[in-house]
Amino acid sequence: GAVVSQHPSRVICKSGTSVKIECRSLDFQATTMFWYRQFPKQSLMLMATSNEGSKATYEQGVEKDKFLINHASLTLSTLTVTSAHPEDSSFYICSARLAGGNYGYTFGSGTRLTVV
Amino acid sequence: GQNIDQPTEMTATEGAIVQINCTYQTSGFNGLFWYQQHAGEAPTFLSYNVLDGLEEKGRFSSFLSRSKGYSYLLLKELQMKDSASYLCAVRDSNYQLIWGAGTKLIIKP
Repeated sequence: GAVVSQHPSRVICKSGTSVKIECRSLDFQATTMFWYRQFPKQSLMLMATSNEGSKATYEQGVEKDKFLINHASLTLSTLTVTSAHPEDSSFYICSARLAGGNYGYTFGSGTRLTVV
Repeated sequence: GQNIDQPTEMTATEGAIVQINCTYQTSGFNGLFWYQQHAGEAPTFLSYNVLDGLEEKGRFSSFLSRSKGYSYLLLKELQMKDSASYLCAVRDSNYQLIWGAGTKLIIKP
């Protein structure tokens, strides 16, 4: 089946540094990738939608200069958290929309970011 | 506005049956999804409903009534490993997924 590989699974970084999270679609082409953030005991919050070859669409309240999204190819999308702060500590998950079928979406395994 | 409501937490006994309800108010409707999420892990797909009625898949079943804006997920023969959060999500007219806050299901022996 369609799989999205997300790395790293866990990362600890110092405040003020940047962290890049990668999501690769295996065996299929992901024209659209969704990036979510999930705080403890809360549901998924959509941060942005990226389409291959074009600029990402950010949800209201999400700083596009802080959360840089690149979707340069049909199999790779990246999220870079720039100048990270402790409040950016969260679980970040990518999801690709599948073409056809009823299953709709496949998720990466998530990245637990801790900013110290 | 768009809204998905589901109970915050439910408790059930191993071997029993539990029904998790989801009501929604969205701008259009293009399907409803149920996902299971264990703590610290990404959601995994359980079911998809786009037409009214019941979809059965093993121990899990999902029901949809579009006129009532209502769905439920039915879990039978509960196992300890079913302890997780269950997320209801509706795809709206723009094909955006609107997520519920999730229902934490606690299974007791």
